[in-house]
Amino acid sequence: DAKTTQPPSMDCAEGRAANLPCNHSTISGNEYVYWYRQIHSQGPQYIIHGLKNNETNEMASLIITEDRKSSTLILPHATLRDTAVYYCIVRILTGANNLFFGTGTRLTVIP
Amino acid sequence: DVKVTQSSRYLVKRTGEKVFLECVQDMDHENMFWYRQDPGLGLRLIYFSYDVKMKEKGDIPEGYSVSREKKERFSLILESASTNQTSMYLCASSSPRAGGNEQFFGPGTRLTVL
Repeated sequence: DAKTTQPPSMDCAEGRAANLPCNHSTISGNEYVYWYRQIHSQGPQYIIHGLKNNETNEMASLIITEDRKSSTLILPHATLRDTAVYYCIVRILTGANNLFFGTGTRLTVIP
Repeated sequence: DVKVTQSSRYLVKRTGEKVFLECVQDMDHENMFWYRQDPGLGLRLIYFSYDVKMKEKGDIPEGYSVSREKKERFSLILESASTNQTSMYLCASSSPRAGGNEQFFGPGTRLTVL
């Protein structure tokens, strides 16, 4: 699986959009971009994934650049409960392959 | 909702003890995983299983073994616990039949070996 690069930490004001960047310059054509988050003392939680088109669900939006070398997770209206470590992972869709989490971005939502 | 449960949230054991960590999922997932999480190191895969009685080593299998006798249950075994196995242990499950094959995690077991 390709490695990813994320900033170690970010702050965001409550109610504003949180934009979390991720670089994955060595991504392969069949690898998807996944985002997970981990709230303190809990297991990681799946957020969203995509291949090359932008994706949106009830939790977040995922914007993937045309060359697929980077992506941005957008939380449109951050709340205090969104304070967590966010992990960007690239992997193929099928198989029992594991997730390489790295150290992620610690997002702090400020009141 | 997918539910992955782990037998204990907190566990304290002594060096040399045999330790069993149990994980159960209720969504008929084929794949199950055991990770450990340590500060500054992220999640590291210990073992995974893609079917009953099947197991594969992950990145750090030394000192651990696993058992998958039933599809819904995946056990992690520390044959002789050591202090360097003090960690947060996370179980996960997934299915290639389920859309994006995303992994669903349990709440974790924080193991302390004295």
